[in-house]
Amino acid sequence: EDKVVQSPLSLVVHEGDTVTLNCSYEVTNFRSLLWYKQEKKAPTFLFMLTSSGIEKKSGRLSSILDKKELFSILNITATQTGDSAIYLCAVRAGGTSYGKLTFGQGTILTVHP
Amino acid sequence: DAGVIQSPRHEVTEMGQEVTLRCKPISGHDYLFWYRQTMMRGLELLIYFNNNVPIDDSGMPEDRFSAKMPNASFSTLKIQPSEPRDSAVYFCASSHLDSQETQYFGPGTRLLVL
Repeated sequence: EDKVVQSPLSLVVHEGDTVTLNCSYEVTNFRSLLWYKQEKKAPTFLFMLTSSGIEKKSGRLSSILDKKELFSILNITATQTGDSAIYLCAVRAGGTSYGKLTFGQGTILTVHP
Repeated sequence: DAGVIQSPRHEVTEMGQEVTLRCKPISGHDYLFWYRQTMMRGLELLIYFNNNVPIDDSGMPEDRFSAKMPNASFSTLKIQPSEPRDSAVYFCASSHLDSQETQYFGPGTRLLVL
């Protein structure tokens, strides 16, 4: 059974801090790993990673994948209160589960002013 | 594009009643996904369709749950009979064949079964 585990489950920081969120996975026929941000509504897409060692970056957010060690990290630098959200990691498998995403339980990030 | 549309946004019902959730995917998208989210279990994939055909329903909890996609622009998730443990937020998402990883989520239906 495909499995995605995120850590920490929750994190409280102050504005300006840098945070690192972790995602480890065990899936059959790995195809890609995705990060989503969920505020009070639906998840919104952040990054998709398919290759090891290549950093994806968007503003203060960046992410990297290690396919050998089966994990990914999401970094947020100079955090702002607007970064407060649940961050979800998901892995897409191939083969007969083509298209299916398995989600981790999420990391709840709270950024205080 | 209006994005993925779900209705109703909120539903409160009594145990034993039938509940029908509706979803209109983004026009042109080939894949449609139904998810359930709870505090205890996080976000779970229930079922997904490709070109209106159910591909994987292994996440459907039990026979009380059923999903249909009669055409490319409409899908339903039905719970009959509903139970309090079905209370959750149900999301519908869609994606395009050329970018299957990027799923666009609807606003969700918050279901409360009393």
